[in-house]
Amino acid sequence: DVVMTQSPLSLPVTLGQPASISCRSNQSLVHSSGNTFLNWFQQRPGQSPRRLIYKVSDRDSGVPDRFSGSGSGTDFTLRISRVEADDVGVFYCMQGTHWPWTFGQGTKVEIK
Amino acid sequence: EVQLVESGGDLVQPGGSLRLSCAASGFTFSSYWMSWVRQAPGKGLEWVANIKEDGIGTYYVDSVKGRFTVSRDNAKKSLYLDLNSPRAEDTGVYYCARGGAPGTADYWGQGTHVTVSS
Repeated sequence: DVVMTQSPLSLPVTLGQPASISCRSNQSLVHSSGNTFLNWFQQRPGQSPRRLIYKVSDRDSGVPDRFSGSGSGTDFTLRISRVEADDVGVFYCMQGTHWPWTFGQGTKVEIK
Repeated sequence: EVQLVESGGDLVQPGGSLRLSCAASGFTFSSYWMSWVRQAPGKGLEWVANIKEDGIGTYYVDSVKGRFTVSRDNAKKSLYLDLNSPRAEDTGVYYCARGGAPGTADYWGQGTHVTVSS
């Protein structure tokens, strides 16, 4: 199975400041179709996961443009340009290129 | 509005059986892959199973292969997950999710709780 490794696992942030989460896979996530199926999900406390980003950098409708995704191959990043109080929760990267689809361990974002 | 509503979660004994259901609305159910994803208490997310639009193609994570069965009824706009011979490590919240495109899931239900214990 593809192992997804996130860092850091805990991220205390100051309101209004930027934040960044790294996600690395142990094999390339480039699909035979040429697409890279790397997703980012946010799970707020007590809620279901919500997709933020798919195919590395495509942002879902309704997701603030403060959130952006980048990367290629095995190395990916989620960036929040200015953290807001509503951003607290656990962020997961997830690969949908190789079955079984797998998640990173999650990064808990909290406000300092 | 896309809605996915899971039900059927319960306390079940190891070696027993349980059926989870997911009622879909707000989209053409028969046109989408569907998935089950679970989360053990206080832990991360684990993809459990996928099923193609026609219900013929199914995919399972190794830990549930041979014990769980994913199925769907397109006429009833419903997705199912049959848990047979569940183990304590199958305890958790089970989410139904819609596969909006290859390699992803765009809408998720609120989850249903399964506890495997004697």
